[in-house]
This record gives sequence, C-alpha cells and structure tokens, in this order.
Amino acid sequence: DQQVKQNSPSLSVQEGRISILNCDYTNSMFDYFLWYKKYPAEGPTFLISISSIKDKNEDGRFTVFLNKSAKHLSLHIVPSQPGDSAVYFCAASAKTSYDKVIFGPGTSLSVIP
Amino acid sequence: SAVISQKPSRDICQRGTSLTIQCQVDSQVTMMFWYRQQPGQSLTLIATANQGSEATYESGFVIDKFPISRPNLTFSTLTVSNMSPEDSSIYLCSARGDLYTGELFFGEGSRLTVL
Repeated sequence: DQQVKQNSPSLSVQEGRISILNCDYTNSMFDYFLWYKKYPAEGPTFLISISSIKDKNEDGRFTVFLNKSAKHLSLHIVPSQPGDSAVYFCAASAKTSYDKVIFGPGTSLSVIP
Repeated sequence: SAVISQKPSRDICQRGTSLTIQCQVDSQVTMMFWYRQQPGQSLTLIATANQGSEATYESGFVIDKFPISRPNLTFSTLTVSNMSPEDSSIYLCSARGDLYTGELFFGEGSRLTVL
C-alpha cells in the first residue's frame, strides 16, 4: 500500500512558467512533509519542507502548500528554470516514528528553454 | 547539513557474491539509514543503522541478506549478500539532519549491477 502518491510520473513546463507538482498521502499520522530533488547519478537533495501546523511554506522560488483535510500537498516552482529539470520526490514522516521517512514514486520535471 | 560520501559509487557484480558499501559522514550523527532505489522506483527504506546496537530492518528486509555495521557516529556499512540480478539497484546512505524532523541528507548512492 503506497502511503505517499505522486500520480504524475512526468511533467513538462516552459522556462519562466510555473511548475506545480502534486502529492497525496493516505496516512493521517503524517505531520511533516518534505520535497527532495534528484539529478541523475546524484543522491536526493532536500528542497523544502512543511509542518502540518502550517498550510504554506515559501523559500525563494519554491513554495509548498499543504491541504490537510484533502491529504494533499503541492510544490510550486516560479519561475521555472532549465536547471530545475530533475526528479522530485515527495516524502512524509510521522511524529510517532520519525525514524521513517516515506517517499513517493517521484515526478520527473522537464523545463524546456 | 552533513556531507555524506559513499564507496563504491558503482560496481558490477557476479551472481552469488557479496559487496560491502561504505558510508562516511563528515560530522557525528545519531541516526543513519540505508535506502534502496530499484530501477524506475522510489526510495525504499532498508534499515536504520543504530550506533552500538543491531540495525532495525523494515518489512521485507532481513539481516542475513543486508547485514549492517555502525561502529561509530560517522560511519556505516551495508553488505548486499549472495547477490542476484534482482538486487541491481542504487543503494543510498542517509543521515538525519534534525533530530525532531524527517529531514535527511543523502550520499550520492552506490549503483550495483548484478549479472
């Protein structure tokens, strides 16, 4: 049973436009959510996170929105740049088990110049 | 943040052999983790490497197949034993950056191909 879902395996966006990556989760115990970016042949890099007590967190061009009632979060990248082309993983953890960070399957973003 | 180095970065192995992956962190960390990313798949947690005690394995992973050592707060090894082609994956070492959240830092990964 996949607890963290990213239903779009891939996304293409024009440079300068907004990229929106979506993520859904099923475990209501999750209270901390993270986004990671991964380039080929590299390990995942932490991008941005959000606690369940917030509904928005912003860091430069990256904003994460959390809708707890819908068990949904999204990552917005504005403006998108070619260097943003990578696989983006949504991940979640629960206060009761911070040992475990559960990752979604990833969305491959291509930003077209 | 923590800088994590893994060796080897890639290897081609024969069926039935074992390979040990080393993970070095540039600072002392309480918790280290080993993940696997099979082709086209997400990251799956194999085990938590605890310093001074046995590793804690996730469902579907056993110590005989994936023995782990954690001799100190900056180093861990993962051995993939008696390898088969199904073990061909990227194996990733990670460490927790913040004790109270899930933020993890990752090594660059070790890509194993089993023939």
